[in-house]
Amino acid sequence: DGGITQSPKYLFRKEGQNVTLSCEQNLNHDAMYWYRQDPGQGLRLIYYSQIVNDFQKGDIAEGYSVSREKKESFPLTVTSAQKNPTAFYLCASSTLPGGSSYNEQFFGPGTRLTVL
Amino acid sequence: AQSVAQPEDQVNVAEGNPLTVKCTYSVSGNPYLFWYVQYPNRGLQFLLKYITGDNLVKGSYGFEAEFNKSQTSFHLKKPSALVSDSALYFCAVRDTGGGNKLTFGTGTQLKVEL
Repeated sequence: DGGITQSPKYLFRKEGQNVTLSCEQNLNHDAMYWYRQDPGQGLRLIYYSQIVNDFQKGDIAEGYSVSREKKESFPLTVTSAQKNPTAFYLCASSTLPGGSSYNEQFFGPGTRLTVL
Repeated sequence: AQSVAQPEDQVNVAEGNPLTVKCTYSVSGNPYLFWYVQYPNRGLQFLLKYITGDNLVKGSYGFEAEFNKSQTSFHLKKPSALVSDSALYFCAVRDTGGGNKLTFGTGTQLKVEL
């Protein structure tokens, strides 16, 4: 999963608790992404960031928050406002398109979050 | 808005036979298309991409994909399947709204049997 680490691998949360998922990359990529994966639904984008101290909502941002204080790090907080947080969460990074360059995203190994 | 369809939830193939995993897309402008593979409880691994040029794109692990603009398809192929190819495969298209966001299909589970 080359250069992107996510921790923890498994996370259990009680209802009403906020939890933070870690994502770190050493690929010197500018852009980072958070996806949620549910069975039969593919990957859905939660948040993405193209530069430090800036980020944008994806398709399903409600109940989630992020920060991008360092280029290497893009933590995701799952808040108590997220009604159905049990899922597999994937972090990714990429270079930014430049000219005719459209580059693939590299993924971390994922964190499986279960709400008890 | 762009979209990707993977019409088959599962594809079963005998080892040694050719395999095809189907993908069709909808996007305004030129498409930038990707295939990823996911093994159980793992992240996605990049297989190949089409940006421009030859319609037949070769990628990792002997996989290739054929871009067909008239049929808006980007099917993944391999001439001879291996049991170790059994995994979940995702097709994706780059969003046209800028940045480098991807829209993914729902995935196709490939099962290669002896």
